[in-house]
Amino acid sequence: SQELEQSPQSLIVQEGKNLTINCTSSKTLYGLYWYKQKYGEGLIFLMMLQKGGEEKSHEKITAKLDEKKQQSSLHITASQPSHAGIYLCGADSGTYKYIFGTGTRLKVLA
Amino acid sequence: GAVVSQHPSWVICKSGTSVKIECRSLDFQATTMFWYRQFPKQSLMLMATSNEGSKATYEQGVEKDKFLINHASLTLSTLTVTSAHPEDSSFYICSARKRQVIDSYEQYFGPGTRLTVT
Repeated sequence: SQELEQSPQSLIVQEGKNLTINCTSSKTLYGLYWYKQKYGEGLIFLMMLQKGGEEKSHEKITAKLDEKKQQSSLHITASQPSHAGIYLCGADSGTYKYIFGTGTRLKVLA
Repeated sequence: GAVVSQHPSWVICKSGTSVKIECRSLDFQATTMFWYRQFPKQSLMLMATSNEGSKATYEQGVEKDKFLINHASLTLSTLTVTSAHPEDSSFYICSARKRQVIDSYEQYFGPGTRLTVT
């Protein structure tokens, strides 16, 4: 079965610093989604990537999908306390069912 | 838009009782809805896939007799936790996939329901 591994598991950065979160799949990804969540709350959709080599940006967050479509990275530039939360990558397993990555907890120190 | 609601947002029940959680797609029809469970500091785990008008498909390890799923219409799916026990306490999130969107894998997530069993 397909698995998504995220790294790092947790991250503490000083406000203003850049950071990168990685999501690695054991199989080729049909579609890769990035979400942000605060525990106990719903998921906030960030970005969707489908094509190999695709890159999307929204405000200070950039996500990339590698050419082989097995790894994605989420990069935050000049982090702010509002960026704190849990970041989850999710992917379609090929049968319209999602699997989620292990999650990355981000804390931004003011 | 694609808005999914859940009700209730939180519920406390006594051990041995049953509790029903509703998932509604407010502005679109959903042929397929998914139910996830999330424990503290863990990721989302898919419990079951709910298709309108047919039986739900459960993931390995999920007891179908304990977690009853009904997808009665194109906008409503319900999850009933029967004979709840404290270990069923968790955060339950549903998602919905739009009808008539071919080859679209995108799911729209509800805000989640926190269940506490005492």
